[in-house]
Amino acid sequence: DARVTQTPRHKVTEMGQEVTMRCQPILGHNTVFWYRQTMMQGLELLAYFRNRAPLDDSGMPKDRFSAEMPDATLATLKIQPSEPRDSAVYFCASGLGTSSYNEQFFGPGTRLTVL
Amino acid sequence: AQKVTQAQTEISVVEKEDVTLDCVYETRDTTYYLFWYKQPPSGELVFLIRRNSFDEQNEISGRYSWNFQKSTSSFNFTITASQVVDSAVYFCALSEASRGNTGKLIFGQGTTLQVKP
Repeated sequence: DARVTQTPRHKVTEMGQEVTMRCQPILGHNTVFWYRQTMMQGLELLAYFRNRAPLDDSGMPKDRFSAEMPDATLATLKIQPSEPRDSAVYFCASGLGTSSYNEQFFGPGTRLTVL
Repeated sequence: AQKVTQAQTEISVVEKEDVTLDCVYETRDTTYYLFWYKQPPSGELVFLIRRNSFDEQNEISGRYSWNFQKSTSSFNFTITASQVVDSAVYFCALSEASRGNTGKLIFGQGTTLQVKP
């Protein structure tokens, strides 16, 4: 049963610290998305990769957030320095294909709390 | 501009009741896709259904059914004979084909469904 995995599942950190979240997409999937879920904003797209190349990161605060795909099996989302307003659940999703039609498979999320 | 509205924030029903979750969308694209995802208490989003803008045929899958009406820009989701396990947050989402086929999902705010025994 192929699944998207995310680590860590929970992270509590203090303001100003660096946070790194990792995602392993489903093997063979060539698209990876990072979403953030908060009570106020709901689910919003932060960044998107296709074949490891970043295609859309317009939803991401550029001064503190960065997203990369070092290889096809790993996507990372970093926040440096973290702020309390970054507290949220961060979801990674992967898909196969390049069409808007394709289903996205979501990971379990990383619940981040910044104190 | 693209937008998805789920006007019902929370719905509470008693087991075996039917329940309909509303979804209204806005888009200027002629080709787009609509999705429903379920988020159970465990937190993971689970894909339920996908519809393209050219297919208005309603779909039934077990106790679930979906009604897509382009005339009213709605894609409503009905659960028949609800069960406690249906308790979850349900999200409607839109993906527009014209935006470089990025596959970006625009989510509604979600509807929390509570099914009581």
